[in-house]
Amino acid sequence: ILNVEQSPQSLHVQEGDSTNFTCSFPSSNFYALHWYRWETAKSPEALFVMTLNGDEKKKGRISATLNTKEGYSYLYIKGSQPEDSATYLCACLSGSARQLTFGSGTQLTVLP
Amino acid sequence: EAGVVQSPRYKIIEKKQPVAFWCNPISGHNTLYWYLQNLGQGPELLIRYENEEAVDDSQLPKDRFSAERLKGVDSTLKIQPAELGDSAVYLCASSFTENTEAFFGQGTRLTVV
Repeated sequence: ILNVEQSPQSLHVQEGDSTNFTCSFPSSNFYALHWYRWETAKSPEALFVMTLNGDEKKKGRISATLNTKEGYSYLYIKGSQPEDSATYLCACLSGSARQLTFGSGTQLTVLP
Repeated sequence: EAGVVQSPRYKIIEKKQPVAFWCNPISGHNTLYWYLQNLGQGPELLIRYENEEAVDDSQLPKDRFSAERLKGVDSTLKIQPAELGDSAVYLCASSFTENTEAFFGQGTRLTVV
């Protein structure tokens, strides 16, 4: 079973602040790293799928980077808004079994 | 296009009773996942299908849990008998292949009393 860790577990920021979270994963036998956004009472929604070392992806105010050699990914949110409040999950696809293993998530609350 | 559909959304049962969840993935998606999500934790894989074949069921408690994906389309997950500790959200997800993003259903929230 893969060990995918996310930090911090929870985070409160003020509206307008920029913030970032970390996802760490085993670097060996890596295949892909996914980021999902999970709002309360909704389904998790994919934000990014990254596969290459050094990948950077951006969607609006949200961006992510990937370092497969050291086994970490950062998710950045610029100018946080209350609607950004959600749990952000990362998931690592690796190993011969190609199993998508999720971290425990970072719960973000953006205060107006 | 319809997303991943799960039913029921909520289920309350007494312990030792059986329960079944149903999932209809996005049309054309070959990979189907069942995840268990406990409060405050990320989803944990129970079983993954590639078409009708269960390719990873190593974390499925086979003494009480079973799953099937006949014809490689929709899938059912069954618990018999249910225990108090089975109370959780059961999420179904599908993807075109194992390498592409997963699309999730809204989950079934199970409460065992």
